[in-house]
Amino acid sequence: EVQLVESGGGLVQPGGSLRLSCVASGFTFSSHWMHWVRQAPEKGLVWVSRTNTDGSSTMYADSVKGRFTVSRDNAKNTLYLQMNSLRGEDTAVYYCAREGSSRSSDCWGQGTLVAVSS
Amino acid sequence: DIQMTQSPSSLSASVGDRVTISCRASQSIGNYLNWYQHKPGKAPNLLISAASSLLSGVPSRFSGSGSGTDFTLTIRSLQPEDFATYYCQQSYTIPGSFGQGTKLEIK
Repeated sequence: EVQLVESGGGLVQPGGSLRLSCVASGFTFSSHWMHWVRQAPEKGLVWVSRTNTDGSSTMYADSVKGRFTVSRDNAKNTLYLQMNSLRGEDTAVYYCAREGSSRSSDCWGQGTLVAVSS
Repeated sequence: DIQMTQSPSSLSASVGDRVTISCRASQSIGNYLNWYQHKPGKAPNLLISAASSLLSGVPSRFSGSGSGTDFTLTIRSLQPEDFATYYCQQSYTIPGSFGQGTKLEIK
């Protein structure tokens, strides 16, 4: 069964840091580009970041550029999102997603909640 | 960045109804348009990619059409499990922007 499981969310103060993890199983992780997408409370889905298969090419939404870093460890089948200088507007459920055909996101994790508050 | 605009933002319908959700891109995206279903507390679920390609396992009552800037998701004969929020997303360029969502509610 194809599965993505996120972890690492929690409550953090403004200016703090968190590292999210996404463990993949049931498919060849190293063959897929991967994405992070978030959903703030009562809001819609927003694309955050993307990495290619070996992590050598990454892209970010303007709202997180310079603060967030996406990486991956293909030996551990794990995707990461390092989040620094967190702000209240970063409060959201963060999903990892596998890129499929036509650059769609064809498999998603259940999400991990990040709350930024003092 | 490409802006995606969905309409309506909410929709009330009954089991058995046929519903249509529209999605417009701010510039041409070819057929790089995807549709997702999202239920509270669950992972989003890809229904349709490349504007009209139904994913394996997705019921045939779902269909997608369009190209360029205007796209449509149609659900014929709504079932109770179809009440959810639906998002379109362009995957033509990064950032892969989403529409604001259409919440489909039971009438």
